Amino acid sequence: DIQMTQFPSSLSASVGDRVTITCRASQSISSHLNWYQQKPGRAPKLLIYATSSLQSGVPSRFSGSGSGTDFTVTISSLQPEDFATYFCQQTYNTPWTFGRGTKVEIK
Amino acid sequence: EVQLVESGGGLVQPGGSLRLSCATSGFTFNVYWMNWVRQSPGKGLEWVANIKHDGSKKYYVDSVKGRFTISIDNAKNSLYLQMNSLRAEDTAVYYCAREIGYQPRLDQWGQGTLVTVSS
Repeated sequence: DIQMTQFPSSLSASVGDRVTITCRASQSISSHLNWYQQKPGRAPKLLIYATSSLQSGVPSRFSGSGSGTDFTVTISSLQPEDFATYFCQQTYNTPWTFGRGTKVEIK
Repeated sequence: EVQLVESGGGLVQPGGSLRLSCATSGFTFNVYWMNWVRQSPGKGLEWVANIKHDGSKKYYVDSVKGRFTISIDNAKNSLYLQMNSLRAEDTAVYYCAREIGYQPRLDQWGQGTLVTVSS
């Protein structure tokens, strides 16, 4: 199975900060990398797919990059509604696997 | 509006069985792969299984192979997960999710149903 290592596991940031979360795959997954946002008590929400494509309705302050084994999601200017947990997911091979998540908290 | 609504969760003893359902609406169900993803309390996400729109292909995570069965009923626009021989470690919120794209992603999710395995 492909292991997804996500870091940091948590971070504290202020509104307006630039935030970057990293995800590393245990083997090359080409560009088959998705990012999800989850708020407490809610289902995950797709933010970015295929490494860098923004899901419809997601603000442009979110962006994704990477290829092979190393990927990032960046929030260019953190907004109050962005405080949540973010998960990466590979869909290169089944079983699809997720990173353990990064909790973005208010500083 | 796309909707996915899970049901069937609850408390079950170890070794018991449950059948989860996911009723869908607002999209053409019989052209999409469908997935089950679970999340243990306070933990991360774990993909459980998926199924092709015609039911001809199914994939599972190793930890549920031989115990869980994913199925669909296109006439009812519904997805199911039959869970047998349940273990404490199967305790989680179970989400159904729609899969799209050549590079697959889960673009629509239900609200989840809680399964608790405990004596």
